[in-house]
Amino acid sequence: RKEVEQDPGPFNVPEGATVAFNCTYSNSASQSFFWYRQDCRKEPKLLMSVYSSGNEDGRFTAQLNRASQYISLLIRDSKLSDSATYLCVVNGLADTGRRALTFGSGTRLQVQP
Amino acid sequence: DVKVTQSSRYLVKRTGEKVFLECVQDMDHENMFWYRQDPGLGLRLIYFSYDVKMKEKGDIPEGYSVSREKKERFSLILESASTNQTSMYLCASRAGTGNQPQHFGDGTRLSIL
Repeated sequence: RKEVEQDPGPFNVPEGATVAFNCTYSNSASQSFFWYRQDCRKEPKLLMSVYSSGNEDGRFTAQLNRASQYISLLIRDSKLSDSATYLCVVNGLADTGRRALTFGSGTRLQVQP
Repeated sequence: DVKVTQSSRYLVKRTGEKVFLECVQDMDHENMFWYRQDPGLGLRLIYFSYDVKMKEKGDIPEGYSVSREKKERFSLILESASTNQTSMYLCASRAGTGNQPQHFGDGTRLSIL
């Protein structure tokens, strides 16, 4: 089983739609969680961290469910510019500062006019 | 803003050559990482370093080595390049603790002929 699993998509949605992605992780000791965005042929860029109580940044809402070991990303009022691959990222070990993050393979979103 | 700079955006080398990929960060981060990204496989960790002269193997270290002589610079070395090392290589850095996100360079698209 992969450490971090995501539906690869693509998710094809019209402009203005609300879309949600889920991501499951296998290590119950995971401490920190992030969503990254990656445009085609570009490097991943941090979209937002995911906090235990859930957090919102404009049209984006991230939530964490530790009991079920998944995190989610909700995008409201989708824009064409939201088209990208969204990577779920988990720190698999206790916070030692010595481990890299584990990346999911990404979910591709295509927002259509 | 964190700046992670990779020495080359595109690189073409021949089978058997020794290849050096350089990465420099300007935020005095302790941790630096090298990944490769391939279609359908996502980001895979090659090596990482949590301090000068310290290194640890990631998930796919075979055929690679690294060097961290100065805190700001982390080099990836392909000892004898092979065609299956054709890939996008991404360098990242992160501040001390595991709760911090990683920041990526622009990537080096390496082709081995």
